[in-house]
Amino acid sequence: EPEVTQTPSHQVTQMGQEVILRCVPISNHLYFYWYRQILGQKVEFLVSFYNNEISEKSEIFDDQFSVERPDGSNFTLKIRSTKLEDSAMYFCASSEPSGGGEKLFFGSGTQLSVL
Amino acid sequence: QKEVEQNSGPLSVPEGAIASLNCTYSDRGSQSFFWYRQYSGKSPELIMSIYSNGDKEDGRFTAQLNKASQYVSLLIRDSQPSDSATYLCAFSPGSSYKLIFGSGTRLLVRP
Repeated sequence: EPEVTQTPSHQVTQMGQEVILRCVPISNHLYFYWYRQILGQKVEFLVSFYNNEISEKSEIFDDQFSVERPDGSNFTLKIRSTKLEDSAMYFCASSEPSGGGEKLFFGSGTQLSVL
Repeated sequence: QKEVEQNSGPLSVPEGAIASLNCTYSDRGSQSFFWYRQYSGKSPELIMSIYSNGDKEDGRFTAQLNKASQYVSLLIRDSQPSDSATYLCAFSPGSSYKLIFGSGTRLLVRP
């Protein structure tokens, strides 16, 4: 069964460092997303990406964040200068719009720890 | 601010019982509603989607939607210990493809 894959599963970084989280969405999907979940809190939307551009972003997704689809398979999230509060599980998701509703399929996540 | 409200639980039921999970949402324009299951430390896994008022059944799971009351529920029949997880309610706002998640209800099925 097709799945969304994310690497690495864990990332430890120092505050102020740049990190890149990587994702390979399901191959025939058209929409790609990043969500995050701080420990014990809700899953929060960060950004959606369609047709090689950002279609929507949340207030969390400020200038420190960027996304890119560098080739036909990868989808990346970059955090330019990490803060302690960026520590969270980051989930990539993809979907193929159907019938007016979105069914998101999530990757297994990257646990980011900022020290 | 578009929101989803869920009782955090835990909801504890004996094995074989029916577990009933509830959710209310704030956006009257929403058309798409979803239930996800999340095991501790894992990613959300889609269980059910529902778009129309009424019931939708899939195996042991039944989703119920009442748009007038802005209410969606999930029934799990013949609950199993493996159903013990956090159940996330989510909706897609009418103007967007993103999902807004509730904080989840933790379900504990006792053997």
